[in-house]
Amino acid sequence: AQTVTQSQPEMSVQEAETVTLSCTYDTSESDYYLFWYKQPPSRQMILVIRQEAYKQQNATENRFSVNFQKAAKSFSLKISDSQLGDAAMYFCAYRRRGGGSQGNLIFGKGTKLSVKP
Amino acid sequence: NAGVTQTPKFQVLKTGQSMTLQCAQDMNHNSMYWYRQDPGMGLRLIYYSASEGTTDKGEVPNGYNVSRLNKREFSLRLESAAPSQTSVYFCASTFGRMGYEQYFGPGTRLTVT
Repeated sequence: AQTVTQSQPEMSVQEAETVTLSCTYDTSESDYYLFWYKQPPSRQMILVIRQEAYKQQNATENRFSVNFQKAAKSFSLKISDSQLGDAAMYFCAYRRRGGGSQGNLIFGKGTKLSVKP
Repeated sequence: NAGVTQTPKFQVLKTGQSMTLQCAQDMNHNSMYWYRQDPGMGLRLIYYSASEGTTDKGEVPNGYNVSRLNKREFSLRLESAAPSQTSVYFCASTFGRMGYEQYFGPGTRLTVT
């Protein structure tokens, strides 16, 4: 069974600096998708970034980028120029390619990010 | 376009009471999901509906039932609430194919005393 591990329960970063959140996963599949979701205190789950396993290029969305290492099964999230609004829980998630139950997301336990002014 | 909506936002139940959590999406998504979120546990899948007319168990289905009423609506029922069901419940939906991400509702905070 697939698993997702976030080894950092809590992280802290100074405003305007860069922070990297770690995520590793276990799968025997070769084609899959990886996601980072953000959950601010409002509780709403917000998609931050998505990576397709067959693409070697790392995904980027403004200040958010990933370091996808397929062989190492590692998917870290880098937040540049951190802002107070980045303070939230961040969840790494995995899904297999395909519909039906293959489309189910498997979540890590989350990393709580604090941003210091 | 409201996305995924959930009702209620908050609920307090006594042990043994029943209730239904409602979820609706207006994005014409095929697949819908119910998760629970507990501190330090991430999100765990309770039930899902890959398409209208089908439902399947997820990781933690015990104590819950679901109904896919139509393509838009997917409800979660607690027949006899227990304190262990105190949690935040999220509904989500997706097209269900390829790499489309899941879109989440705002969540329901349920407390069972």
